[in-house]
Amino acid sequence: AQSVTQLGSHVSVSEGALVLLRCNYSSSVPPYLFWYVQYPNQGLQLLLKYTSAATLVKGINGFEAEFKKSETSFHLTKPSAHMSDAAEYFCALEQGAQKLVFGQGTRLTINP
Amino acid sequence: DSGVTQTPKHLITATGQRVTLRCSPRSGDLSVYWYQQSLDQGLQFLIQYYNGEERAKGNILERFSAQQFPDLHSELNLSSLELGDSALYFCASSVGLGAHTGELFFGEGSRLTVL
Repeated sequence: AQSVTQLGSHVSVSEGALVLLRCNYSSSVPPYLFWYVQYPNQGLQLLLKYTSAATLVKGINGFEAEFKKSETSFHLTKPSAHMSDAAEYFCALEQGAQKLVFGQGTRLTINP
Repeated sequence: DSGVTQTPKHLITATGQRVTLRCSPRSGDLSVYWYQQSLDQGLQFLIQYYNGEERAKGNILERFSAQQFPDLHSELNLSSLELGDSALYFCASSVGLGAHTGELFFGEGSRLTVL
């Protein structure tokens, strides 16, 4: 079965520090992978997506993710954290052509 | 603003009752998805409709049902409610059939509390 696992339900970094949110996937077919962000009291918003075109994917708000097939990983990074990045982040994998399977989410806290 | 509208935003009801959640997709989007978000289960896919037809089913209970109407809005009906049904229910829409054909646009959710 296809699945995603996010390592760390909570991540805390200082403002200006590197953000690294980890996601590993399990898939028997080439995966389509996504990162979504959920700000408090809002719905999910797409940050970026991997659809096999390039292994390094750039998204909105300075985030990027690298697809590593050998490690079955799709970690999300941002060089310098801003206070506005505080949110919950979800890694997702497309299961078939119909639906997204989400990880459990990682809550990112930014310390001033 | 994603363009997806969900009503009501909050709903409190009692066990055994029935509720209907409504979703209006973005203009032009033909696919509607329903997700349930709870603390213990995370984000779970419930069901998808495309242009009025059911296209995919996930972990949707038999007490739950959904439909998509000719004007493309969708309703999720939850009946015989139990305490464990308390959750945030999201609707999302997309242009096509699959997520990789475009991103999903999520509404702000309907928070259901069953007492």
